[in-house]
Amino acid sequence: QVQLQESGPGLVKPSQTLSLTCTVSGGSISSGSHYWSWIRQPAGKGLEWIGRIYTSGSTNYNPSLQSRVTLSVDTSKNQFSLRLTSVTAADTAVYYCAKQDVGDDAFNIWGQGTMVTVSS
Amino acid sequence: QAVLTQPSSLSASPGASASLTCTLRSGINVGTYKIYWYQQKPGSPPQYLLRYNSDSDKQQGSGVPSRFSGSKDASANAGILLISGLQSEDEADYYCMIWHSSAWVFGGGTKLTVL
Repeated sequence: QVQLQESGPGLVKPSQTLSLTCTVSGGSISSGSHYWSWIRQPAGKGLEWIGRIYTSGSTNYNPSLQSRVTLSVDTSKNQFSLRLTSVTAADTAVYYCAKQDVGDDAFNIWGQGTMVTVSS
Repeated sequence: QAVLTQPSSLSASPGASASLTCTLRSGINVGTYKIYWYQQKPGSPPQYLLRYNSDSDKQQGSGVPSRFSGSKDASANAGILLISGLQSEDEADYYCMIWHSSAWVFGGGTKLTVL
């Protein structure tokens, strides 16, 4: 059974870049046809999809964040990553990574989430 | 106006049924969208419940009880998650989701209280 684990700094200063990594275990990130996504959730609020990357490296981003987001995949490490530039307090949230199967499209596997606070 | 609108809260009694709605913005036809539903309990990530497009195109999440089901109300332009035989463990936040304009969009969520 595939499992996902987010990692990265829990505190980022305003205007800096937020970088997170999701490690895939229990399976190869490049096997099968999957999308790997990032989703975030501010405390007490709803879910916001950030973007996704296919195992080939092709990406889709939320138009509201597209100018600040970059996703990448490292198949040798079985990881995919998120970079979010020019962060503000509004980017403070729990960040989840999640997996979708192409053709099914449900986020059927989620990481436990990692809290990122943007503060000086 | 948000793409997907969900009531912020809903209360129901144990053993009863609860109908959670997900209303699509005017101009977006529910008939053309697959509606996904997720359940989230405090301190945990969301869990996939089911997908509903039509009675012939639907999918239950792995291990999700059949008392969770989906439907659409075309007259209300809404997707519906029906939970029958409510149990205390069903108390959670519920989110709907669609693929719209090349992005996954979530509703604001409904907090279901079972009391």
